Amino acid sequence: AQSVAQPEDQVNVAEGNPLTVKCTYSVSGNPYLFWYVQYPNRGLQFLLKYITGDNLVKGSYGFEAEFNKSQTSFHLKKPSALVSDSALYFCAVRLLTGGGNKLTFGTGTQLKVEL
Amino acid sequence: DTEVTQTPKHLVMGMTNKKSLKCEQHMGHRAMYWYKQKAKKPPELMFVYSYEKLSINESVPSRFSPECPNSSLLNLHLHALQPEDSALYLCASSQVQPTNEKLFFGSGTQLSVL
Repeated sequence: AQSVAQPEDQVNVAEGNPLTVKCTYSVSGNPYLFWYVQYPNRGLQFLLKYITGDNLVKGSYGFEAEFNKSQTSFHLKKPSALVSDSALYFCAVRLLTGGGNKLTFGTGTQLKVEL
Repeated sequence: DTEVTQTPKHLVMGMTNKKSLKCEQHMGHRAMYWYKQKAKKPPELMFVYSYEKLSINESVPSRFSPECPNSSLLNLHLHALQPEDSALYLCASSQVQPTNEKLFFGSGTQLSVL
């Protein structure tokens, strides 16, 4: 089955330090990978998506993601964390089925940025 | 306009009630989605509409009934729900093609079933 996994339930980082939120994937063929962020009591906001051939993808709010085919990973990174980055982050994979496109999410990682 | 608007924001209903959730977008998207999300959990896909036709039903109980009356509107009709159906219901929309297009999500309807 095609899926994504987020091994960390929570990541804590000090403001100003770099942050990494991990995601690994299990997909046959070209993966359609995404990162979304969710603030409390809100819907999901798109951060970035993998584009075939670009191993470093730049997205919204200073986030970027590194695609590594040999490690089947798509980790989310930011050089300098802000307190306002504290939120729930989801890695997702877009699956093609006979009925249409399905976006399936990982279990989520709670990011907490402290002063 | 890059918004997906969901109404109501909050809904409390009894197990015998009938209610509807509404979703609207004016981005010209021809794919629309319903997701269910429990607190601190990932969203779970319920239904997908493509060109106003139901294309995916993730084995959702019949007490949830989706409807797509036109390309801008998506409804979710609720009847005889159970307390375990309490959750955040998220609507989303996207282009049908290309297949790696992002989804735009609404802020959701927080549903409580008493």
